[in-house]
Amino acid sequence: DTEVTQTPKHLVMGMTNKKSLKCEQHMGHRAMYWYKQKAKKPPELMFVYSYEKLSINESVPSRFSPECPNSSLLNLHLHALQPEDSALYLCASSQEEDSNEQFFGPGTRLTVL
Amino acid sequence: KNQVEQSPQSLIILEGKNCTLQCNYTVSPFSNLRWYKQDTGRGPVSLTIMTFSENTKSNGRYTATLDADTKQSSLHITASQLSDSASYICVVRRVTGGGNKLTFGTGTQLKVEL
Repeated sequence: DTEVTQTPKHLVMGMTNKKSLKCEQHMGHRAMYWYKQKAKKPPELMFVYSYEKLSINESVPSRFSPECPNSSLLNLHLHALQPEDSALYLCASSQEEDSNEQFFGPGTRLTVL
Repeated sequence: KNQVEQSPQSLIILEGKNCTLQCNYTVSPFSNLRWYKQDTGRGPVSLTIMTFSENTKSNGRYTATLDADTKQSSLHITASQLSDSASYICVVRRVTGGGNKLTFGTGTQLKVEL
Protein backbone atom coordinates (compact mmCIF):
# COMPACT_ATOMS: atom_id res chain seq x y z
CA ASP A 1 0.00 0.00 0.00
CA THR A 2 1.72 3.17 -1.19
CA GLU A 3 -0.85 5.82 -0.60
CA VAL A 4 -2.07 8.23 2.02
CA THR A 5 -5.84 8.21 2.51
CA GLN A 6 -7.95 10.97 3.98
CA THR A 7 -11.55 11.08 5.12
CA PRO A 8 -13.90 12.69 4.57
CA LYS A 9 -13.32 14.07 1.08
CA HIS A 10 -15.63 17.00 1.76
CA LEU A 11 -16.86 18.49 5.02
CA VAL A 12 -19.27 21.34 5.68
CA MET A 13 -19.56 22.50 9.26
CA GLY A 14 -20.95 25.37 11.27
CA MET A 15 -18.84 27.52 13.53
CA THR A 16 -20.17 25.77 16.65
CA ASN A 17 -19.63 22.22 15.39
CA LYS A 18 -16.95 19.77 16.42
CA LYS A 19 -15.59 17.54 13.67
CA SER A 20 -12.48 15.52 12.92
CA LEU A 21 -10.38 14.90 9.84
CA LYS A 22 -8.66 11.54 9.51
CA CYS A 23 -5.51 10.46 7.74
CA GLU A 24 -4.06 6.98 7.35
CA GLN A 25 -0.94 5.47 5.80
CA HIS A 26 0.41 1.93 5.80
CA MET A 27 3.84 2.59 4.33
CA GLY A 28 5.57 2.33 7.69
CA HIS A 29 6.35 6.04 7.64
CA ARG A 30 7.20 7.53 11.01
CA ALA A 31 6.53 11.17 10.19
CA MET A 32 3.12 12.60 9.38
CA TYR A 33 2.07 16.14 8.53
CA TRP A 34 -0.97 18.38 8.32
CA TYR A 35 -1.04 21.20 5.77
CA LYS A 36 -3.65 23.85 5.04
CA GLN A 37 -4.04 25.06 1.46
CA LYS A 38 -6.13 28.00 0.32
CA ALA A 39 -7.14 28.36 -3.31
CA LYS A 40 -4.29 29.19 -5.68
CA LYS A 41 -1.79 29.21 -2.78
CA PRO A 42 0.89 26.69 -1.81
CA PRO A 43 0.32 24.32 1.12
CA GLU A 44 1.14 25.80 4.54
CA LEU A 45 2.55 23.49 7.17
CA MET A 46 0.46 23.21 10.33
CA PHE A 47 1.79 20.27 12.34
CA VAL A 48 4.45 17.57 12.16
CA TYR A 49 4.40 14.33 14.11
CA SER A 50 7.51 12.22 14.38
CA TYR A 51 7.29 8.78 16.00
CA GLU A 52 3.81 9.70 17.24
CA LYS A 53 5.05 12.78 19.07
CA LEU A 54 4.31 16.35 18.07
CA SER A 55 7.50 17.73 16.58
CA ILE A 56 6.39 21.00 14.98
CA ASN A 57 3.42 23.27 15.62
CA GLU A 58 3.54 26.24 13.30
CA SER A 59 1.70 28.53 15.72
CA VAL A 60 -1.66 27.08 14.72
CA PRO A 61 -4.74 28.37 16.63
CA SER A 62 -5.97 26.04 19.37
CA ARG A 63 -9.25 25.47 17.54
CA PHE A 64 -7.18 22.98 15.53
CA SER A 65 -6.07 20.04 17.68
CA PRO A 66 -3.93 17.27 16.17
CA GLU A 67 -3.74 13.73 17.48
CA CYS A 68 -1.59 10.77 16.48
CA PRO A 69 -3.15 7.64 18.02
CA ASN A 70 -0.59 5.34 16.41
CA SER A 71 2.07 5.34 13.73
CA SER A 72 -0.44 4.86 10.90
CA LEU A 73 -3.11 7.35 11.91
CA LEU A 74 -3.26 11.10 12.18
CA ASN A 75 -6.34 13.07 13.19
CA LEU A 76 -7.14 16.76 13.16
CA HIS A 77 -9.88 17.76 15.58
CA LEU A 78 -11.79 20.91 14.69
CA HIS A 79 -13.80 23.08 17.08
CA ALA A 80 -15.25 26.58 16.85
CA LEU A 81 -13.77 27.22 13.43
CA GLN A 82 -14.13 30.45 11.51
CA PRO A 83 -15.21 30.87 7.86
CA GLU A 84 -11.63 31.82 6.97
CA ASP A 85 -10.58 28.31 8.01
CA SER A 86 -12.29 26.98 4.89
CA ALA A 87 -9.56 25.35 2.82
CA LEU A 88 -8.16 22.08 1.50
CA TYR A 89 -6.51 20.20 4.35
CA LEU A 90 -3.73 17.92 3.19
CA CYS A 91 -2.12 15.11 5.12
CA ALA A 92 1.33 13.84 4.18
CA SER A 93 3.77 11.25 5.42
CA SER A 94 7.45 10.50 5.01
CA GLN A 95 9.84 7.76 6.10
CA GLU A 96 11.36 10.02 8.72
CA GLU A 97 10.90 13.68 9.55
CA ASP A 98 14.02 14.56 7.59
CA SER A 99 13.31 12.24 4.67
CA ASN A 100 13.40 13.82 1.25
CA GLU A 101 10.00 12.89 -0.08
CA GLN A 102 6.63 13.52 1.47
CA PHE A 103 3.67 11.58 0.11
CA PHE A 104 0.46 13.56 0.09
CA GLY A 105 -3.11 12.42 0.54
CA PRO A 106 -5.95 13.71 -1.67
CA GLY A 107 -7.06 16.20 0.96
CA THR A 108 -10.29 17.11 2.71
CA ARG A 109 -12.17 20.10 1.32
CA LEU A 110 -13.49 21.93 4.40
CA THR A 111 -16.17 24.60 4.27
CA VAL A 112 -17.04 26.52 7.45
CA LEU A 113 -20.37 28.31 7.34
CA LYS B 1 14.89 34.93 4.27
CA ASN B 2 14.16 31.57 2.62
CA GLN B 3 11.93 32.16 -0.38
CA VAL B 4 10.84 30.29 -3.52
CA GLU B 5 9.36 32.24 -6.39
CA GLN B 6 7.77 30.72 -9.46
CA SER B 7 6.90 32.16 -12.83
CA PRO B 8 4.71 32.55 -14.65
CA GLN B 9 1.83 32.59 -12.19
CA SER B 10 -0.42 31.03 -14.82
CA LEU B 11 -0.03 29.76 -18.35
CA ILE B 12 -2.35 28.61 -21.12
CA ILE B 13 -0.97 26.54 -23.99
CA LEU B 14 -2.37 24.46 -26.82
CA GLU B 15 -2.25 20.70 -26.65
CA GLY B 16 0.93 19.34 -28.19
CA LYS B 17 2.98 22.46 -27.46
CA ASN B 18 5.96 22.64 -25.12
CA CYS B 19 6.31 24.94 -22.13
CA THR B 20 8.84 25.83 -19.46
CA LEU B 21 8.12 26.79 -15.87
CA GLN B 22 10.63 28.68 -13.74
CA CYS B 23 11.60 28.49 -10.08
CA ASN B 24 14.02 30.87 -8.33
CA TYR B 25 14.99 30.33 -4.72
CA THR B 26 16.99 31.90 -1.94
CA VAL B 27 16.87 28.90 0.40
CA SER B 28 20.19 28.26 2.08
CA PRO B 29 21.95 26.00 2.74
CA PHE B 30 20.44 24.10 -0.16
CA SER B 31 19.67 20.39 0.10
CA ASN B 32 17.38 19.59 -2.82
CA LEU B 33 14.59 20.90 -5.00
CA ARG B 34 11.48 18.95 -5.89
CA TRP B 35 8.80 19.63 -8.48
CA TYR B 36 5.26 18.56 -7.63
CA LYS B 37 2.16 18.36 -9.83
CA GLN B 38 -1.13 19.10 -8.11
CA ASP B 39 -4.43 18.45 -9.82
CA THR B 40 -7.32 20.61 -8.66
CA GLY B 41 -8.68 19.41 -5.33
CA ARG B 42 -6.00 16.71 -5.00
CA GLY B 43 -2.75 16.34 -3.11
CA PRO B 44 0.61 17.15 -4.76
CA VAL B 45 2.45 14.31 -6.50
CA SER B 46 6.23 14.37 -6.88
CA LEU B 47 7.55 14.60 -10.44
CA THR B 48 11.27 14.87 -9.89
CA ILE B 49 13.92 15.77 -7.34
CA MET B 50 17.12 17.68 -8.04
CA THR B 51 20.16 17.62 -5.77
CA PHE B 52 23.10 20.00 -5.77
CA SER B 53 25.19 17.97 -8.20
CA GLU B 54 22.45 17.35 -10.74
CA ASN B 55 21.90 19.62 -13.75
CA THR B 56 19.16 17.81 -15.63
CA LYS B 57 16.73 15.03 -14.85
CA SER B 58 13.90 13.64 -16.95
CA ASN B 59 10.71 11.84 -16.05
CA GLY B 60 8.83 11.01 -19.23
CA ARG B 61 7.75 14.24 -20.87
CA TYR B 62 8.97 16.26 -17.87
CA THR B 63 12.55 17.52 -17.77
CA ALA B 64 13.85 19.48 -14.80
CA THR B 65 17.05 21.53 -14.74
CA LEU B 66 18.94 23.02 -11.85
CA ASP B 67 21.56 25.76 -11.77
CA ALA B 68 22.77 25.79 -8.17
CA ASP B 69 25.03 28.78 -8.82
CA THR B 70 22.21 31.08 -9.90
CA LYS B 71 19.67 29.25 -7.68
CA GLN B 72 17.30 28.62 -10.53
CA SER B 73 15.37 25.58 -11.69
CA SER B 74 13.08 24.97 -14.61
CA LEU B 75 10.52 22.34 -15.50
CA HIS B 76 10.08 21.70 -19.22
CA ILE B 77 6.99 19.88 -20.42
CA THR B 78 7.17 18.39 -23.89
CA ALA B 79 4.21 17.66 -26.17
CA SER B 80 1.67 18.80 -23.61
CA GLN B 81 -1.53 16.88 -23.00
CA LEU B 82 -4.87 17.95 -21.57
CA SER B 83 -4.05 15.92 -18.45
CA ASP B 84 -1.05 18.18 -17.81
CA SER B 85 -3.48 20.89 -16.72
CA ALA B 86 -2.62 21.35 -13.05
CA SER B 87 -0.67 23.46 -10.60
CA TYR B 88 3.09 22.86 -10.58
CA ILE B 89 4.81 23.57 -7.29
CA CYS B 90 8.54 23.94 -6.67
CA VAL B 91 9.62 22.94 -3.15
CA VAL B 92 13.13 23.55 -1.83
CA ARG B 93 14.61 21.82 1.20
CA ARG B 94 17.38 23.34 3.28
CA VAL B 95 20.04 21.24 4.94
CA THR B 96 20.22 22.45 8.48
CA GLY B 97 18.31 24.25 11.13
CA GLY B 98 15.42 23.16 13.26
CA GLY B 99 11.77 23.29 12.41
CA ASN B 100 10.24 23.08 8.98
CA LYS B 101 12.96 22.65 6.37
CA LEU B 102 10.70 22.91 3.32
CA THR B 103 9.83 26.12 1.48
CA PHE B 104 7.00 25.88 -1.02
CA GLY B 105 6.77 28.05 -4.10
CA THR B 106 3.53 29.80 -5.00
CA GLY B 107 2.99 27.50 -7.97
CA THR B 108 2.31 27.90 -11.69
CA GLN B 109 -1.21 27.15 -12.83
CA LEU B 110 -0.99 25.45 -16.24
CA LYS B 111 -3.98 25.00 -18.51
CA VAL B 112 -3.68 22.93 -21.69
CA GLU B 113 -6.40 23.58 -24.25
CA LEU B 114 -7.47 21.93 -27.51
